[in-house]
Amino acid sequence: KAGVTQTPRYLIKTRGQQVTLSCSPISGHRSVSWYQQTPGQGLQFLFEYFSETQRNKGNFPGRFSGRQFSNSRSEMNVSTLELGDSALYLCASSSPIGGSTYNEQFFGPGTRLTVL
Amino acid sequence: AQTVTQSQPEMSVQEAETVTLSCTYDTSESDYYLFWYKQPPSRQMILVIRQEAYKQQNATENRFSVNFQKAAKSFSLKISDSQLGDAAMYFCAYRRGGSEKLVFGKGTKLTVNP
Repeated sequence: KAGVTQTPRYLIKTRGQQVTLSCSPISGHRSVSWYQQTPGQGLQFLFEYFSETQRNKGNFPGRFSGRQFSNSRSEMNVSTLELGDSALYLCASSSPIGGSTYNEQFFGPGTRLTVL
Repeated sequence: AQTVTQSQPEMSVQEAETVTLSCTYDTSESDYYLFWYKQPPSRQMILVIRQEAYKQQNATENRFSVNFQKAAKSFSLKISDSQLGDAAMYFCAYRRGGSEKLVFGKGTKLTVNP
């Protein structure tokens, strides 16, 4: 079974631009969560989507948004990029159909975003 | 809000020896899970071990074991017979029951010396 994939793996943008990152979960998984990892703030939860609905949201400005498609693939968008948005963006998938109360989360390799 | 604290930014251990990484957390919930994740230089986040709050028995996975002290809200990771491949960042994480959201500590960088 293929793991979680994220595209692109590396991205360079300039301030003011917008960017879209993609995450394809493990087949059958319905939940996708996004995290931002920076040296200063560590790992911070952005949001979680389950069956195309945002189920939970972290404390990030409205410039950060996401969505999930019917095949469970998810995208996150960051508009009006700032230097501080430079980070590793990780996604994690879980909740297979027929899963239990606890479902392990599997992480993708991340997208490294650099804002110049 | 739940918080997770790792007080050791860096630790080192000799190959084949034992090391313990510390973690404390704060929550008012009764249903939760605690995790240790490993992040090697490749940046791939890997689950090392999981502990359900309702279980009194400490979780073990081969050379990895935890010391879960619920009243003290402490959750340490012991790595026995350390190997060079254990070198990585280790993150302690909390997850409330029924939620997929993970709250991470700042991490401990583990160096394994040959």
